[in-house]
Amino acid sequence: GESVGLHLPTLSVQEGDNSIINCAYSNSASDYFIWYKQESGKGPQFIIDIRSNMDKRQGQRVTVLLNKTVKHLSLQIAATQPGDSAVYFCAFLGAMDSNYQLIWGAGTKLIIKP
Amino acid sequence: SAVISQKPSRDICQRGTSLTIQCQVDSQVTMMFWYRQQPGQSLTLIATANQGSEATYESGFVIDKFPISRPNLTFSTLTVSNMSPEDSSIYLCSANAESETQYFGPGTRLLVL
Repeated sequence: GESVGLHLPTLSVQEGDNSIINCAYSNSASDYFIWYKQESGKGPQFIIDIRSNMDKRQGQRVTVLLNKTVKHLSLQIAATQPGDSAVYFCAFLGAMDSNYQLIWGAGTKLIIKP
Repeated sequence: SAVISQKPSRDICQRGTSLTIQCQVDSQVTMMFWYRQQPGQSLTLIATANQGSEATYESGFVIDKFPISRPNLTFSTLTVSNMSPEDSSIYLCSANAESETQYFGPGTRLLVL
């Protein structure tokens, strides 16, 4: 079946350092990938997305990298701040029971150390 | 993007009762979705709410337990029927418009005693 996996369930980063959150996916046919941030007590918030015809996309302090050869997706957060503390989910558009839907990773909890 | 609100934000219910969760979007959207999220876990899709037709349920979820309404392009409801403590969870509504990007509501935190 299709799946998305995360390498690290918890990531601790010093405030001001860069964070890298990784994600592996299994479906080589997927062409759309998204990163979400979920703060405690809130719904997932869209951060950035990327299509399979790109290998890098940048936003404000965030960069998503896509390596289709090894089916790997990463989210880089520059100069991590306390407000970046959250659980980060990767998701990709895939087929489940013949319907296209978002396939979700398990999530990585990012902890910012002062 | 779409701004999504949910009501109630949280509730504590007795087993055997039912709760209806409302989801309101600030603009017309094509697709609306209902998810369940256990604390500390990822999201599980319950169903896709289709306007003008029955919802499409994922494996493990049935209409009798989770009836869904979608009367127009900005509103949907999810009912959790005949609740048991195992239904305690966070229920999330999401929607997308022209693109595949889904935007989420704040969630409804349900505790069944």
